[in-house]
Amino acid sequence: DAGVTQSPTHLIKTRGQHVTLRCSPISGHKSVSWYQQVLGQGPQFIFQYYEKEERGRGNFPDRFSARQFPNYSSELNVNALLLGDSALYLCASSLATGGAVGETQYFGPGTRLLVL
Amino acid sequence: GIQVEQSPPDLILQEGANSTLRCNFSDSVNNLQWFHQNPWGQLINLFYIPSGTKQNGRLSATTVATERYSLLYISSSQTTDSGVYFCAAFTGGGNKLTFGTGTQLKVEL
Repeated sequence: DAGVTQSPTHLIKTRGQHVTLRCSPISGHKSVSWYQQVLGQGPQFIFQYYEKEERGRGNFPDRFSARQFPNYSSELNVNALLLGDSALYLCASSLATGGAVGETQYFGPGTRLLVL
Repeated sequence: GIQVEQSPPDLILQEGANSTLRCNFSDSVNNLQWFHQNPWGQLINLFYIPSGTKQNGRLSATTVATERYSLLYISSSQTTDSGVYFCAAFTGGGNKLTFGTGTQLKVEL
């Protein structure tokens, strides 16, 4: 079975530009989460989507937005890019929101974004 | 929010050695995962372990939720074990993971 896929693998942008990152979850998984990993740190939670609705948001500015499509794939959009947005962006999928008990998260290979 | 701390931050082993990585969390957690991040950035699931002990080959993990810690054991380490090991905790509802600070492991010949 295919795992979580992300595109593109690498991306170079300049300050002020906009970027769209894409994620396809494991077949049958309905929940997608996005994480940002800055060099030397652990991943930080950005968003979680389930059944096309936002179910969680981390401490990120409004320049960050996301959506989930009927086929459960997802896009992460970042506007007005800053140098500090340079990071590895990871997508994770799971079966469902899990309610009060976390579901096992499966991560994609990530998109490396460099902002110049 | 919850704090997740890992120790040691860095570890160098000779191939064949054993090691124990520790993960402490500041509050009650619903569940916990251990990951290995390879040099290309891929996060590989190792264990999903809310409590008790699990084993998978040369790796095993133990979580003592009441005492707010988890341990990852690596036996007979190999150079391919090199990378960063993260624990990550689920808190509250939903699937938000709070990651620890990571342990950078290097296994040398």
